[in-house]
Amino acid sequence: AAGVIQSPRHLIKEKRETATLKCYPIPRHDTVYWYQQGPGQDPQFLISFYEKMQSDKGSIPDRFSAQQFSDYHSELNMSSLELGDSALYFCASSLEPEPTGELFFGEGSRLTVL
Amino acid sequence: AQKITQTQPGMFVQEKEAVTLDCTYDTSDQSYGLFWYKQPSSGEMIFLIYQGSYDEQNATEGRYSLNFQKARKSANLVISASQLGDSAMYFCAMSFMFSGGYNKLIFGAGTRLAVHP
Repeated sequence: AAGVIQSPRHLIKEKRETATLKCYPIPRHDTVYWYQQGPGQDPQFLISFYEKMQSDKGSIPDRFSAQQFSDYHSELNMSSLELGDSALYFCASSLEPEPTGELFFGEGSRLTVL
Repeated sequence: AQKITQTQPGMFVQEKEAVTLDCTYDTSDQSYGLFWYKQPSSGEMIFLIYQGSYDEQNATEGRYSLNFQKARKSANLVISASQLGDSAMYFCAMSFMFSGGYNKLIFGAGTRLAVHP
């Protein structure tokens, strides 16, 4: 079965550079979530989209932006990268934003900022 | 505010024994979902089991079962017959609807499980 696809899986950037992470949800899933997991931390919610509209915003820095496109894939853009942005970034998708709905996670994109 | 608490930073278990990982949650919502995820050292987040707030039966998935005690607001994960491959970080998570009418998932701090031969 198709799963959530994230790219790239690994990314190394210098401070002050820009990075873009991509997420392709499971087909027919209309809701996408982005989470950031720092070393030794639990995943923290960044932002979510439902039907291409932002549905919620968490602890996402102003330097970050995201959007969901017409084909439901999503991109997380990170500018002016800082050392503290080094983390594992997860994308998850679900079919309809139901509280009892399962979120399917991608394998994550590991960003290292040097 | 919604919150997930996992009080065990680390747990050890002997291979083939059962282990219980604790999770308590705090919410005033009536409708919510409880999840357990496994995160091995490779980093991916693997779904294990789900319990809905209206489900009266405890969820089971193979060697995993969720001990759901609604009045106590606890959702402990029980792993029976532990295997070496069960060594990983385990996250308890809760899904709920917030004011915008959309779904959000929050995580506990996690419990690192080590299975010894």
